Amino acid sequence: EADIYQTPRYLVIGTGKKITLECSQTMGHDKMYWYQQDPGMELHLIHYSYGVNSTEKGDLSSESTVSRIRTEHFPLTLESARPSHTSQYLCASREQGRAGANVLTFGAGSRLTVL
Amino acid sequence: DAKTTQPNSMESNEEEPVHLPCNHSTISGTDYIHWYRQLPSQGPEYVIHGLTSNVNNRMASLAIAEDRKSSTLILHRATLRDAAVYYCIPLNAGNMLTFGGGTRLMVKP
Repeated sequence: EADIYQTPRYLVIGTGKKITLECSQTMGHDKMYWYQQDPGMELHLIHYSYGVNSTEKGDLSSESTVSRIRTEHFPLTLESARPSHTSQYLCASREQGRAGANVLTFGAGSRLTVL
Repeated sequence: DAKTTQPNSMESNEEEPVHLPCNHSTISGTDYIHWYRQLPSQGPEYVIHGLTSNVNNRMASLAIAEDRKSSTLILHRATLRDAAVYYCIPLNAGNMLTFGGGTRLMVKP
């Protein structure tokens, strides 16, 4: 049973459109993450948050932005989609504390295609 | 973040054990060693984690070297449903969680 939900699962959209990928978790986790993954390639961290009103960029530069107004919600926005944004976007969350013992939970992903 | 080295791919026969190695020589003393796997067209899922001692759960076993610079994920009897990309990742309380390339496991019937 998934405790972290991503919508939409699949999105095909034209160039220049604004899109928001939703990510919600019901576990009360403070830490949340967005990864970008091209088919057959590595996961790249693009954004993370360690709590409400905190967001940081990951190790891969991205034109997307994120917000964290509520603990359970971590949406990702692209103001003007381009074909180069075509990819799978994966959201994950993790509980704060307990050093490195806390497990990462991933959503099923949002597969974005920009025409 | 500690760097990891894993084989790009491995192959196994169904019903046979599989040993997936991971080198994490720069691991810090507080890093836990986590393993995740990603089935085709899905997000990664947790498999197992440990700090120093070997660990067992219903999915797999984790053998951690005494110096903690390497670990091995053991699938005792591979099934076709175990075909996936397996990632090892040292985790601590820090916020940056970066994944390496992982090992693509292919299971032959």
